[in-house]
Amino acid sequence: GDSVTQMEGPVTLSEEAFLTINCTYTATGYPSLFWYVQYPGEGLQLLLKATKADDKGSNKGFEATYRKETTSFHLEKGSVQVSDSAVYFCALSGGRDTGRRALTFGSGTRLQVQP
Amino acid sequence: SAVISQKPSRDICQRGTSLTIQCQVDSQVTMMFWYRQQPGQSLTLIATANQGSEATYESGFVIDKFPISRPNLTFSTLTVSNMSPEDSSIYLCSVPGRVNTGELFFGEGSRLTVL
Repeated sequence: GDSVTQMEGPVTLSEEAFLTINCTYTATGYPSLFWYVQYPGEGLQLLLKATKADDKGSNKGFEATYRKETTSFHLEKGSVQVSDSAVYFCALSGGRDTGRRALTFGSGTRLQVQP
Repeated sequence: SAVISQKPSRDICQRGTSLTIQCQVDSQVTMMFWYRQQPGQSLTLIATANQGSEATYESGFVIDKFPISRPNLTFSTLTVSNMSPEDSSIYLCSVPGRVNTGELFFGEGSRLTVL
């Protein structure tokens, strides 16, 4: 079945540091890929997405590129802020040929940014 | 995006009791999904609830423990039956976006603590 593997956290960075959170996946067909973020005490929000190979999703300074050859969707940000402290989840939806609309999530990576 | 309201937002329950969580969406949707997020863990799909048919449960989840209702296109309930401390989790309702790009929108969740 489909699965998502994320790097374990917590990741602790100083403000303005470069961020990478690794995500790799296993899926049949052609899945869409997502990063969701969960800020402390808040619900799950979509951060960015990519629906086909080589697409780059971006939002709020975060980027991720859909790499089919390495089955990866790593999250990056050039300069993190304290306000980016949250838990980040990589997720995929079933490919168009599967018809599966539910998302499969990775284990989540907690990011702590220190001033 | 969809606006999803869940009730209760949190509750403390006694072992052996049951609790019903409500999910209201501001638009009509065919599919609704129920997820569980155990403390410090990722999101696990419990079931898919389509209006007019029986819910489809994922491996490890059964209807007797998590009965679901879907009386119309904007509402669903999930009951957690005969609760034990292991059921302490956040339960989240989610729906697909209006445009089929694969993402899901989530309610803020219902945090249950079972004593």
